[in-house]
Amino acid sequence: QLQLLESGPGLVKPSETLSLTCTVSGASISSGSYFWAWIRQPPGKGLEWIGSVYYSGFTFHNPSLKSRVTISLDTSKNQFSLRLTSVTAADTAVYYCARHGDPTANLGRWFAPWGQGTPVTVSS
Amino acid sequence: EIVLTQSPGTLSLSPGERATLSCRASQRISSSTYLAWYQQKPGQAPRLLIYGASIRATGIPDRFSGSGSGTDFTLTISRLEPEDFAVYYCQQYGGSPLNFGQGTRLEIK
Repeated sequence: QLQLLESGPGLVKPSETLSLTCTVSGASISSGSYFWAWIRQPPGKGLEWIGSVYYSGFTFHNPSLKSRVTISLDTSKNQFSLRLTSVTAADTAVYYCARHGDPTANLGRWFAPWGQGTPVTVSS
Repeated sequence: EIVLTQSPGTLSLSPGERATLSCRASQRISSSTYLAWYQQKPGQAPRLLIYGASIRATGIPDRFSGSGSGTDFTLTISRLEPEDFAVYYCQQYGGSPLNFGQGTRLEIK
């Protein structure tokens, strides 16, 4: 059974870098056909897709976050990570990791499953 | 960028009633049916209900159904159970960014 689990600091200071890791169990992130994604949800608000990474290292992300986002893989640990630089209070949110399909493998880019989420607060 | 608008913002119904939730796209979604629906309960991650506009995900009860294509989509819950009261989001995957609607809160009347 595929499971995802987010981890990382719950508190980050303004202007610093937010770093989170998603540990995947039950499937190999190197197996192809799927992307590994980050999604966030500010308190009381809706969902925002941040970006996705493929086993090859190819990434694509939401332009709303401009160039602050880096998503990478550690295949030896079956993990993928998010780095978000120059954070502000607007980056306070619950951060989820999830999987979506690769359209070139005839799999749609809907998100399933999801991790349980990890809350991150940006505050001094 | 495709913007999704969900309506109503809040829907108040009683158990046993039928719920109809709408999701409208700002432009035609690629392949017409690249739309998913999720359910989110307080303190939990979203759960995939429907993909391909009308295909139920594994384990989803058949009281949940999706329809629509192009720009107008609907999630219908035929007979509400107490556990169905939650927030529902639509998501398009026909283009990037992979946007969500703002959500519809389904509350007990």
